[in-house]
Amino acid sequence: QKEVEQDPGPLSVPEGAIVSLNCTYSNSAFQYFMWYRQYSRKGPELLMYTYSSGNKEDGRFTAQVDKSSKYISLFIRDSQPSDSATYLCATHPEKPGANSKLTFGKGITLSVRP
Amino acid sequence: DTGVSQNPRHKITKRGQNVTFRCDPISEHNRLYWYRQTLGQGPEFLTYFQNEAQLEKSRLLSDRFSAERPKGSFSTLEIQRTEQGDSAMYLCASSGLAGGRYEQYFGPGTRLTVT
Repeated sequence: QKEVEQDPGPLSVPEGAIVSLNCTYSNSAFQYFMWYRQYSRKGPELLMYTYSSGNKEDGRFTAQVDKSSKYISLFIRDSQPSDSATYLCATHPEKPGANSKLTFGKGITLSVRP
Repeated sequence: DTGVSQNPRHKITKRGQNVTFRCDPISEHNRLYWYRQTLGQGPEFLTYFQNEAQLEKSRLLSDRFSAERPKGSFSTLEIQRTEQGDSAMYLCASSGLAGGRYEQYFGPGTRLTVT
């Protein structure tokens, strides 16, 4: 079992839809959670960075963390064709001052149809 | 400084050749990471530098791979005697303490094809 599992894709939605992307993790040491967006043949771009359980909102994006069930989600409201990309969840343990190497999920490819 | 840069962006090489990639991090960042990403997978950690010190290497980093970060600025990743299985996107990320946390920012990657 991989340490971070991400819902398989691809996912295709119409423009304006609400998108829900999900990951689960197995290691309780993971304390920080991120969502990255990756366009084709580009490097990952940091979208959201969260620490505690609960919700964090940034524009049309909401990241949700439930540490009790080891479940992380990204919601995209009013999805746009420009949101079409691969979305990667990532996490790292809490070790102040130490290596914060990221463990990623496989990624899910989202396509938003005009 | 607008972000992390990597060169070359693409590299095609024949099996058995050596290749070297370069990463220039965001200037004020003291931490630098190398990851490898294959098609349909998320990036996998290879190695980590804090300033010029290489503090951790993944088991994925065989003895054909070597990374350096002289003077704690840019970094190079060299692969000797390349194999077809080395074909992947090699990503560099840098981070520095901001707001009490370390966020990693990625470069555009170097896509390696071994023929």
